[in-house]
Amino acid sequence: GQSLEQPSEVTAVEGAIVQINCTYQTSGFYGLSWYQQHDGGAPTFLSYNGLDGLEETGRFSSFLSRSDSYGYLLLQELQMKDSASYFCAVGPNNAGNMLTFGGGTRLMVKP
Amino acid sequence: NAGVMQNPRHLVRRRGQEARLRCSPMKGHSHVYWYRQLPEEGLKFMVYLQKENIIDESGMPKERFSAEFPKEGPSILRIQQVVRGDSAAYFCASSSQGLDQPQHFGDGTRLSIL
Repeated sequence: GQSLEQPSEVTAVEGAIVQINCTYQTSGFYGLSWYQQHDGGAPTFLSYNGLDGLEETGRFSSFLSRSDSYGYLLLQELQMKDSASYFCAVGPNNAGNMLTFGGGTRLMVKP
Repeated sequence: NAGVMQNPRHLVRRRGQEARLRCSPMKGHSHVYWYRQLPEEGLKFMVYLQKENIIDESGMPKERFSAEFPKEGPSILRIQQVVRGDSAAYFCASSSQGLDQPQHFGDGTRLSIL
């Protein structure tokens, strides 16, 4: 089976930097993805790490260490609009193309 | 350049009725995935389809649920004889071929069972 752990809630202030961690246990591994979801909205793809290291996309960066089964999403220069839930997901894997999602981290950005 | 289109956005059914959820993938995408999300939870994989084929349905309940992706037209997730526990948001995602291709999600269908 597969399981992912991420904090349920994180609070930060505008302009700050926040890191959302994700640890996973999988039988077979291909890559770690991150999605953002605003309340009532669709999950939006943010980043994908197929190899160890840091991927940077604007204010967002994502890191993966396959030896540690660990990754994180780093959000810089936080804005109010970043308040949302963030999900890490593993996949695809040897079983197929589906994604297995963590329970999500609700980020609240305060002024 | 439309994204993944799902309809309806909201669907209300009484217990015992049938629910049909539709999904049109992004242009050029041949892979379709259905996920279910309960409030305050992550998305749970249900089924993965390519045109006219079910590739993986390991996340589908054994009874009452079925999915198809015909040669022409949208993918359909069908729930027969709905029960209260079927109330959830159902999201469809699509991707192009390749294991590292990101999945892009539709806005979902919020299913409410009275």
